[in-house]
Amino acid sequence: LAKTTQPISMDSYEGQEVNITCSHNNIATNDYITWYQQFPSQGPRFIIQGYKTKVTNEVASLFIPADRKSSTLSLPRVSLSDTAVYYCLVGDMWNNAGNMLTFGGGTRLMVKP
Amino acid sequence: DGGITQSPKYLFRKEGQNVTLSCEQNLNHDAMYWYRQDPGQGLRLIYYSQIVNDFQKGDIAEGYSVSREKKESFPLTVTSAQKNPTAFYLCASKPGTSYEQYFGPGTRLTVT
Repeated sequence: LAKTTQPISMDSYEGQEVNITCSHNNIATNDYITWYQQFPSQGPRFIIQGYKTKVTNEVASLFIPADRKSSTLSLPRVSLSDTAVYYCLVGDMWNNAGNMLTFGGGTRLMVKP
Repeated sequence: DGGITQSPKYLFRKEGQNVTLSCEQNLNHDAMYWYRQDPGQGLRLIYYSQIVNDFQKGDIAEGYSVSREKKESFPLTVTSAQKNPTAFYLCASKPGTSYEQYFGPGTRLTVT
């Protein structure tokens, strides 16, 4: 089972770009990488998902190197409202739905004014 | 409005009582999930169901039970056998062709 490792916490300032890296050394060929955001007392919200290289949407970019043993979530020009916990998940949804749904401790991002 | 509803938002129970948490979705999703979250911790999977009348245990199923009699509904019962039931409980659903889970607003259960 692919296990993920993320920094426990990060601090940033408004307007800066934030990069959160997730290590997943045991990622399998069929595994995808998915990131979620969670605010206090709310359910997590899907941010982005990818398999290799770079994926970009309206809120974030996801960079995945060729060996896929890590991934980096990039949040451009963060604001105070980006203060949240960010989770990295790795798994093959089709063959093992339970494995995909293991949320680790996540990374607590604090954005300061 | 499509979405997932959980009720109630806050629930208080005495120790030794069973309690059932509601989760309903009108997104026509096949898969549904229950998670538990303790303060400052990540989410832990309790049970999941990929199809009606079928469900599988997650990492921490002991002391919990579920049913999936309808596609829209996936209630979770916290039994008296669960030693530390006080927690934030989250329900989620997912379409079969996506990695994206949709979460409900959660139920905060306090047992004293």
